[in-house]
Amino acid sequence: DGGITQSPKYLFRKEGQNVTLSCEQNLNHDAMYWYRQDPGQGLRLIYYSQIVNDFQKGDIAEGYSVSREKKESFPLTVTSAQKNPTAFYLCASTSLMNTEAFFGQGTRLTVV
Amino acid sequence: AQRVTQPEKLLSVFKGAPVELKCNYSYSGSPELFWYVQYSRQRLQLLLRHISRESIKGFTADLNKGETSFHLKKPFAQEEDSAMYYCALKIVGGTSYGKLTFGQGTILTVHP
Repeated sequence: DGGITQSPKYLFRKEGQNVTLSCEQNLNHDAMYWYRQDPGQGLRLIYYSQIVNDFQKGDIAEGYSVSREKKESFPLTVTSAQKNPTAFYLCASTSLMNTEAFFGQGTRLTVV
Repeated sequence: AQRVTQPEKLLSVFKGAPVELKCNYSYSGSPELFWYVQYSRQRLQLLLRHISRESIKGFTADLNKGETSFHLKKPFAQEEDSAMYYCALKIVGGTSYGKLTFGQGTILTVHP
């Protein structure tokens, strides 16, 4: 069953802790993206990666970090430097030939 | 920097009425434009893209480069069209190749 999987679905974090959100795809897609979804603000791009071992900052990269060591995986770390981390996070992927983006189910992060 | 603006956060129409969801963009190059839709409890998915010039579920969207707009239209709205709609822009060249930016989203409600 091909697709893009985010885990966990819900995540709770204490203030001051780093936390890593997982995103895995088995679609053989080259490009992967991380977005943050807040009410009234739509989807805001955090980081994106076109190829393995390369990634670019999006519009709101501060307080976040990523890695792209494997084509299938693009984990996002929310660091303690992120001042307002409570949000819904969406991961997406696309192939270079087909520009349609496929999305995961999302991870809801809550800072307690 | 590129930007996508959806001026209406909420849009309500009655079944059978025409509907138009507005999208304006700013980008100096020639981007690809998309409309994505998120139905209740479902993943965000592609509705249509400007390069294919197709009609999906009765929706059409025309890219107007002069007005930098990509409005989504449907002549007769149905209750099942109620969803969140996002306009998106993808950069297809240059140093930001592959960057995919979304608007703030419009929640469409179609009343019976």
